Amino acid sequence: EAGVTQFPSHSVIEKGQTVTLRCDPISGHDNLYWYRRVMGKEIKFLLHFVKESKQDESGMPNNRFLAERTGGTYSTLKVQPAELEDSGVYFCASRLGTGRGYTFGSGTRLTVV
Amino acid sequence: TQLLEQSPQFLSIQEGENLTVYCNSSSVFSSLQWYRQEPGEGPVLLVTVVTGGEVKKLKRLTFQFGDARKDSSLHITAAQTGDTGLYLCAGAIRDDKIIFGKGTRLHILP
Repeated sequence: EAGVTQFPSHSVIEKGQTVTLRCDPISGHDNLYWYRRVMGKEIKFLLHFVKESKQDESGMPNNRFLAERTGGTYSTLKVQPAELEDSGVYFCASRLGTGRGYTFGSGTRLTVV
Repeated sequence: TQLLEQSPQFLSIQEGENLTVYCNSSSVFSSLQWYRQEPGEGPVLLVTVVTGGEVKKLKRLTFQFGDARKDSSLHITAAQTGDTGLYLCAGAIRDDKIIFGKGTRLHILP
């Protein structure tokens, strides 16, 4: 079984530019989550999709962040325009249903300069 | 704001010694998970504990969930160099969201 795949693994962009992160969950996993770890801080929840619907987006920092999951398969997280404080590692996780364990991707390390 | 305090933040011990990592909160969790994360990788789930007082063992690793479901511990017996890594606890505040501790960076010396 293929794991959760994230692309790109690293991204360095200038302040004000746009970046789109992609996550391919494990096939058949309806639940998809985005998390972020900023340097020195704990991993924090951003949002949760159930299929193509946003179940909980209470962790999204502001309206510069837009997450989509068209067709309930892969998801994208777009940051526009990027700011310096957006730097960190963005993790995607998926799971089959509640009560099951999470499978995390390897993350995208975003650096905004 | 719900917080999960993990201690110690760093731990360096000799191979063969025992160690315990703690995870504490003032919040009650429906379940608590322990993850291990290697550099450049995402967290990998080790175990989930659900019931207050529950104890789970994974070879030399023993996980315990507090009776009140507010705290947990990870005990490693006879640590090996292969146990080196970042250990994270994460509490489920609802089935659809978990909050993480900052992690314990463990280094086992040969």
